Amino acid sequence: EAEVAQSPRYKITEKSQAVAFWCDPISGHATLYWYRQILGQGPELLVQFQDESVVDDSQLPKDRFSAERLKGVDSTLKIQPAELGDSAMYLCASSLAGREGETQYFGPGTRLLVL
Amino acid sequence: SQKIEQNSEALNIQEGKTATLTCNYTNYSPAYLQWYRQDPGRGPVFLLLIRENEKEKRKERLKVTFDTTLKQSLFHITASQPADSATYLCAPTGGGNKLTFGTGTQLKVEL
Repeated sequence: EAEVAQSPRYKITEKSQAVAFWCDPISGHATLYWYRQILGQGPELLVQFQDESVVDDSQLPKDRFSAERLKGVDSTLKIQPAELGDSAMYLCASSLAGREGETQYFGPGTRLLVL
Repeated sequence: SQKIEQNSEALNIQEGKTATLTCNYTNYSPAYLQWYRQDPGRGPVFLLLIRENEKEKRKERLKVTFDTTLKQSLFHITASQPADSATYLCAPTGGGNKLTFGTGTQLKVEL
């Protein structure tokens, strides 16, 4: 069964350093999402791509976060510089076409700890 | 602003009983609502979707209701098993496919 791949699974970094997370969606899925999940809370959407275009980045802290999906397939989320409050699980998800009600398939996540 | 409330306290039930989880929302009218399951250290997994014009949806031991008057969804697991222990997230969605999740309710099914 096809799955969303993410790496690394765990990342420990010091504040002010740069970190990057990678996501490979299910093959053929046009829509890709990055979520952040703080412990004890539900996932919060950071950015949504339709193919290579950003369709929603309203919750992305653009002063330090950036995301790209250059060829409309895999994607990278970067934080620079990392802050203590960025410690969280970063989840990537994909869906077939981004239509209303479409199932989103989540990867295993990258757990980030900022010291 | 939109607000989604799920039981913040863990729900502990005995094996074989029916678990009922609640999702309340305010300040918007979702076109549909999804339920996801999340195990520790893993990403959420989709379980069920119910639309605003549907009262009830079933899938095997799972049942979801959607009351747009009460602004509430109930999620039931019948004949619960220890393997059902997880956190369950609801996501009432107003339109499009942007998911807004509740905080989740942790379910523990004991032998």
